[in-house]
Amino acid sequence: QKEVEQDPGPLSVPEGAIVSLNCTYSNSAFQYFMWYRQYSRKGPELLMYTYSSGNKEDGRFTAQVDKSSKYISLFIRDSQPSDSATYLCAMSMTGTASKLTFGTGTRLQVTL
Amino acid sequence: DADVTQTPRNRITKTGKRIMLECSQTKGHDRMYWYRQDPGLGLRLIYYSFDVKDINKGEISDGYSVSRQAQAKFSLSLESAIPNQTALYFCATSSPTTVSGANVLTFGAGSRLTVL
Repeated sequence: QKEVEQDPGPLSVPEGAIVSLNCTYSNSAFQYFMWYRQYSRKGPELLMYTYSSGNKEDGRFTAQVDKSSKYISLFIRDSQPSDSATYLCAMSMTGTASKLTFGTGTRLQVTL
Repeated sequence: DADVTQTPRNRITKTGKRIMLECSQTKGHDRMYWYRQDPGLGLRLIYYSFDVKDINKGEISDGYSVSRQAQAKFSLSLESAIPNQTALYFCATSSPTTVSGANVLTFGAGSRLTVL
């Protein structure tokens, strides 16, 4: 079993929909949780970052962490075609980048 | 210009050939990384360097070597390429300072390598 599990999709939604992207993990020591967005033929870029449990909101994006269930989510409100990308979750026990464990990514397609 | 530049962007080679992927950055970061991305396996760390004299193996270093020529340059070599090294390779940098406790990675656009 992988340490971080993420549904690969693809997930196809109409423009304006609310999108929920999720990751589950097995290591209860993870404390730093990140979401990276990767457009086709580009490198990943940091979208959201959360420490420990709770929610964090940034514009149309909300990151949620439930440590008791070992489950993190990224919600996208009013989804746009420009949100079409692969979304990677990543997490670590410390904040050190060399210790990050990445999910395999979920491909999202937002259609007109 | 991009903060992290990778060359070549695409490369097709044959089994047994030596290949070098190059990375340069303008962010002034000390820490640099090489990752490999495969469908269904995600991003996996190959090597990382905290400064010119500090090189560390990552999760999947076998079959790879690296050279940190300068603070801004970090190259990845495949001494004798094999087909299962066909993948998308990413270079990344991070600052030692943190954003609320975590180092943030800045990735290059990737180098797609095909080994026939």
